[in-house]
Amino acid sequence: AQKVTQAQTEISVVEKEDVTLDCVYETRDTTYYLFWYKQPPSGELVFLIRRNSFDEQNEISGRYSWNFQKSTSSFNFTITASQVVDSAVYFCALRGSTLGRLYFGRGTQLTVWP
Amino acid sequence: GAVVSQHPSWVICKSGTSVKIECRSLDFQATTMFWYRQFPKQSLMLMATSNEGSKATYEQGVEKDKFLINHASLTLSTLTVTSAHPEDSSFYICSARDSPTSGRGDSSYNEQFFGPGTRLTVL
Repeated sequence: AQKVTQAQTEISVVEKEDVTLDCVYETRDTTYYLFWYKQPPSGELVFLIRRNSFDEQNEISGRYSWNFQKSTSSFNFTITASQVVDSAVYFCALRGSTLGRLYFGRGTQLTVWP
Repeated sequence: GAVVSQHPSWVICKSGTSVKIECRSLDFQATTMFWYRQFPKQSLMLMATSNEGSKATYEQGVEKDKFLINHASLTLSTLTVTSAHPEDSSFYICSARDSPTSGRGDSSYNEQFFGPGTRLTVL
């Protein structure tokens, strides 16, 4: 079974604070892919990152960074120096095989206040 | 990246009417397209997987006679909500999966690209 858990339903921070969004996944597949998407109020999903199960190297892209820990089945997402434009719903997702469907977490609503 | 469009972006209709939503892959061929539904403040729920030239595979609990899916070409899939009712009001999102031989990106991956969504309101 594939499952993604985002325990944080809503997070509020003040601009310039750092914030970490948690994602825990379950899968029996040895090959799988993890994703983060951003969904602003417009509704369109914005792809942020894809990570395959064989690559545990953490990644940094500007103010965004991702921490993939297979030992704890977690793929956490950190925004450094948050900005108001970061306000959105963020989804973590899992894909169990190259032909498999995506399993989404329930999402975390991030609100960044000025 | 690849582009997926949806039409219309929003639609308001009366209860009992049928609504058709189109999903197009604009610059690649998509052998598989997915249809999701998202209620307010909830996650995306997969409704069905659509393969070009064959019948769609519906997720448990999704009425195939109510949500008709047609994937007649490699660039177009349509979702028709038949006899729509207020409870069908939702945000519908499609995604299209690229071919592994497209030469785009990681060939072992089969990446999915999402459309911008269609907001359906049934009065």
